[in-house]
Amino acid sequence: GENVEQHPSTLSVQEGDSAVIKCTYSDSASNYFPWYKQELGKRPQLIIDIRSNVGEKKDQRIAVTLNKTAKHFSLHITETQPEDSAVYFCAASKGGYQKVTFGTGTKLQVIP
Amino acid sequence: DSGVTQTPKHLITATGQRVTLRCSPRSGDLSVYWYQQSLDQGLQFLIQYYNGEERAKGNILERFSAQQFPDLHSELNLSSLELGDSALYFCASSVDQGFEQFFGPGTRLTVL
Repeated sequence: GENVEQHPSTLSVQEGDSAVIKCTYSDSASNYFPWYKQELGKRPQLIIDIRSNVGEKKDQRIAVTLNKTAKHFSLHITETQPEDSAVYFCAASKGGYQKVTFGTGTKLQVIP
Repeated sequence: DSGVTQTPKHLITATGQRVTLRCSPRSGDLSVYWYQQSLDQGLQFLIQYYNGEERAKGNILERFSAQQFPDLHSELNLSSLELGDSALYFCASSVDQGFEQFFGPGTRLTVL
């Protein structure tokens, strides 16, 4: 089955700096890659996603890039703010009747 | 607010007991997914339903079962509870199978 590895497990950045979280996946048939943000004790929230026919997608300070050849995708957060502090999960899916496989999460701390 | 509702918010019970968690998907969503998140752990996929039918299974124990009803709400039944079953249980829903999932607020289960 699909295996998703996520790095780093923890990340501390100064407010205003950029943060990058990387994930690799094993199944070349995966075609959908969402990113979720989870604040302590709360539900995961979809923040951005990308499909395999697109190499990059941006939404304000957040961007995701996908390298299908290398089977890895990354989340980029620019101009980080304290409210960006949370656990971020990447995931991969083949859609359809296939489950979504999540990475192990990255705890991001933005230091004011 | 994602539009996905889960009840109850909290549940405290004893080992050996049986509980039922309930989820109502967003209006129009046909797919429902169940996840388990233990303390400081990632999201473990349990099971997926689409329009009343089971479509994908993850690491769901034999003591656990689920179903999706004609009105599309879903229930997750956990029986012969063990201490290790204490976790946050999330339900998510989506329009398309395997794609954008929206999570409910979760049910925190504590087994004493």
